[in-house]
Amino acid sequence: QKEVEQNSGPLSVPEGAIASLNCTYSDRGSQSFFWYRQYSGKSPELIMSIYSNGDKEDGRFTAQLNKASQYVSLLIRDSQPSDSATYLCAVKAAGNKLTFGGGTRVLVKP
Amino acid sequence: ETGVTQTPRHLVMGMTNKKSLKCEQHLGHNAMYWYKQSAKKPLELMFVYNFKEQTENNSVPSRFSPECPNSSHLFLHLHTLQPEDSALYLCASSQDDGDRVYGYTFGSGTRLTVV
Repeated sequence: QKEVEQNSGPLSVPEGAIASLNCTYSDRGSQSFFWYRQYSGKSPELIMSIYSNGDKEDGRFTAQLNKASQYVSLLIRDSQPSDSATYLCAVKAAGNKLTFGGGTRVLVKP
Repeated sequence: ETGVTQTPRHLVMGMTNKKSLKCEQHLGHNAMYWYKQSAKKPLELMFVYNFKEQTENNSVPSRFSPECPNSSHLFLHLHTLQPEDSALYLCASSQDDGDRVYGYTFGSGTRLTVV
């Protein structure tokens, strides 16, 4: 079983709609969770961090964490073509390292 | 300069060459990392340095040799690489306060091609 799993996509979303991305992780002791956005040919950019169960909102992004079910999700509201990218879920388990999922490719169509 | 800077941006090297990748962070962080990103594979952690001490080496072949002379600089020395080592090599830094890890800041990466 992979430590951090994401659907590779592509997730095709009409402009203005909500994109919903999911991520599951295997280590129950994980404490810190992150979402990164990576444009093609670029490096990952941190867009959200979440540490407690529940929702965390930042602009058009909402991260949701459910530690009992071991999943974390990202909602992108009012999706724009500029949101087209690969979104990486990252989880901190033991030590000070982050483990990344394979990423979900999102395509926002005008 | 701000953030995390990596040089060179692109590198083509033969299998018998020796080269080095350089990373410098201007964020005052105390931890630095090397990751490898290959096509259609998740980011793979290679090395972790915390307070200049190497704290993790994820079974990386010895043809990759890291060096961390201080908390702001990180190098990855390369020698006798194989074509399958061609990938994007990413440096990152973070502030590690023990219990909580803050998000990493990544450099722009070095696109390495081994011929």
